[in-house]
Amino acid sequence: DIQMTQSPSSLSASVGDRVTITCRPSQSIGVYLNWYQHKPGKAPKLLIFAASSLQTGVPSRFSGSGSGTDFTLTISNLQPEDFAIYYCQQSYSTPPYTFGQGTKLEI
Amino acid sequence: EVQLVESGGALVQPGGSLRLSCAASGFTFSSFWMHWVRQAPGEGLVWVAGINTDGRKTSYADAVKGRFTISRDSAKNTLHLQMNSLRVEDTAVYFCVRDHPFVVEVDATIDNAFDIWGQGTSVTVSS
Repeated sequence: DIQMTQSPSSLSASVGDRVTITCRPSQSIGVYLNWYQHKPGKAPKLLIFAASSLQTGVPSRFSGSGSGTDFTLTISNLQPEDFAIYYCQQSYSTPPYTFGQGTKLEI
Repeated sequence: EVQLVESGGALVQPGGSLRLSCAASGFTFSSFWMHWVRQAPGEGLVWVAGINTDGRKTSYADAVKGRFTISRDSAKNTLHLQMNSLRVEDTAVYFCVRDHPFVVEVDATIDNAFDIWGQGTSVTVSS
């Protein structure tokens, strides 16, 4: 199974900041990498698919990049509603559909 | 409105059984693969099981294989998860998820991502 490693595990930032979260799979996965946002008590939300494609309705301050074994999620101009937990997920070799351990973005 | 609504979560004793349901609306249920994903207290998201469009192909995480069964009723637009021989470590919020095939721009292949999630239903396994 492909293991997904996210860093950092937690991140402190302020409104208006630019932050970057990294995801590294245990083997090359092309661009088959998705990013999700999860707020406590709510349904997780798809932000980015295929490494860099923005899901419909997601603000353009979210962006994704990378391929192979090195991916990043960047959030520019942080807004109060962006404080949440972010997960990467590989869809290259399934099942299982493995997620990273999550990155908690907090103030 | 595209929506997934889970039900069936409860407190159950170790060794017990539970059946979760997920009602789908606002889209052609029979056209999409579906999955269950769970989140244990203080932990991250973990994929549990998946099923193809006609219900004939299923897959499971190793942790639940042989104990859980995923199924679907396309006439009723409903996804199910039958959970048997429950363990304390199965305690989690269980999410029903739609699997959407997205076209990868660079090479026109397909990337499957979980684009619609329910709010989740809570399962607690404890004596």
